[in-house]
Amino acid sequence: GAGVSQSPSNKVTEKGKDVELRCDPISGHTALYWYRQSLGQGLEFLIYFQGNSAPDKSGLPSDRFSAERTGGSVSTLTIQRTQQEDSAVYLCASREPSGNEKLFFGSGTQLSVL
Amino acid sequence: ILNVEQSPQSLHVQEGDSTNFTCSFPSSNFYALHWYRWETAKSPEALFVMTLNGDEKKKGRISATLNTKEGYSYLYIKGSQPEDSATYLCALGPGSARQLTFGSGTQLTVLP
Repeated sequence: GAGVSQSPSNKVTEKGKDVELRCDPISGHTALYWYRQSLGQGLEFLIYFQGNSAPDKSGLPSDRFSAERTGGSVSTLTIQRTQQEDSAVYLCASREPSGNEKLFFGSGTQLSVL
Repeated sequence: ILNVEQSPQSLHVQEGDSTNFTCSFPSSNFYALHWYRWETAKSPEALFVMTLNGDEKKKGRISATLNTKEGYSYLYIKGSQPEDSATYLCALGPGSARQLTFGSGTQLTVLP
């Protein structure tokens, strides 16, 4: 596709429910990142995928968060038993394999946990 | 954990004014410094990626400088326009950590 695509753009859920957020990166971009921005905070790193290497999960805030990337392309971020503090904008980004290339971001998913 | 700081947190300027803001970062183990612009309801968009001490980049009315020895980068906007209103983010990395560490951003509002 022309850019990084994320869905849904908005998600409202009840506390305790599970949610899945989807990211479709730019074709050919082997690196994929998930970040989130909570109200009044900076962008917080969640997880990084690079090709077939083991993902860097060091930013996941709890074991309720998980992510997978199937076939080296589409990624899904899953949040189980959502809590109100999970409310944030979740951003996906991809880039070309070389280290200093800029990130291309999707438009994000606004998650609201009631 | 890298500490990337941006100042000021927010800024209001009049149309036509020139402005600048700062990104500070640890000077050790520097790899690359990124600047992004994030307009409301849009995706963050890359402005510059800088890697060399003394590097200067320019894109239209926006320019940036980099000092890796003292650990700071400046972003300048000449003759601000209302369409420049956005949050400007800097990020350090990825280096061996593979991830970019973002600052909390400077929110710029340009008043007509």
